[in-house]
Amino acid sequence: DVKVTQSSRYLVKRTGEKVFLECVQDMDHENMFWYRQDPGLGLRLIYFSYDVKMKEKGDIPEGYSVSREKKERFSLILESASTNQTSMYLCASSMVRISYEQYFGPGTRLTVT
Amino acid sequence: QQQVKQSPQSLIVQKGGIPIINCAYENTAFDYFPWYQQFPGKGPALLIAIRPDVSEKKEGRFTISFNKSAKQFSLHIMDSQPGDSATYFCAAKYAGGTSYGKLTFGQGTILTVHP
Repeated sequence: DVKVTQSSRYLVKRTGEKVFLECVQDMDHENMFWYRQDPGLGLRLIYFSYDVKMKEKGDIPEGYSVSREKKERFSLILESASTNQTSMYLCASSMVRISYEQYFGPGTRLTVT
Repeated sequence: QQQVKQSPQSLIVQKGGIPIINCAYENTAFDYFPWYQQFPGKGPALLIAIRPDVSEKKEGRFTISFNKSAKQFSLHIMDSQPGDSATYFCAAKYAGGTSYGKLTFGQGTILTVHP
């Protein structure tokens, strides 16, 4: 079974703090994705990576950056957290040579106060 | 700007009913249309998917109907059960080798099936 794990289920941070969200997948997938999930807006793509050290902006990259130093690990960074970044963050991975299915982690509920 | 529009936002049915969730898209460069199911506290998981050269796909009690000319697709759940209560997302994949399987998702539908 593919497993995608996220470092925290719940996180509370203060405005202006630097926040790191970590994601690890165990299936040697090439592609990794970060989404945020908000009621009524669905899942919106923040950034994705198709190889180590390679990244592309998604639909809402402002205020975020990412890092992929190893194939299995994809980090989302909030350089200076703001209250409008309070959300559920979901990581996913896929290997398009096999299928387009994306495998999701359980999510991190981030609250910025 | 949401490229895939999903409705309704929430849906309540009785056990045995047939809930229908609809999605519409504008971009003709999509070539794969999956549905994901998400239970509380879990990440979404692939439920069923269709390509635009097929008008219908059925897997168990779940059916996707696809209307290419109208740029619409829908999910039907036959004989719905309380265990089907979840949030459902439609999505679309950008065509082309450089898309890396990137998906754009609809807004989600919260389905409640009463016993």
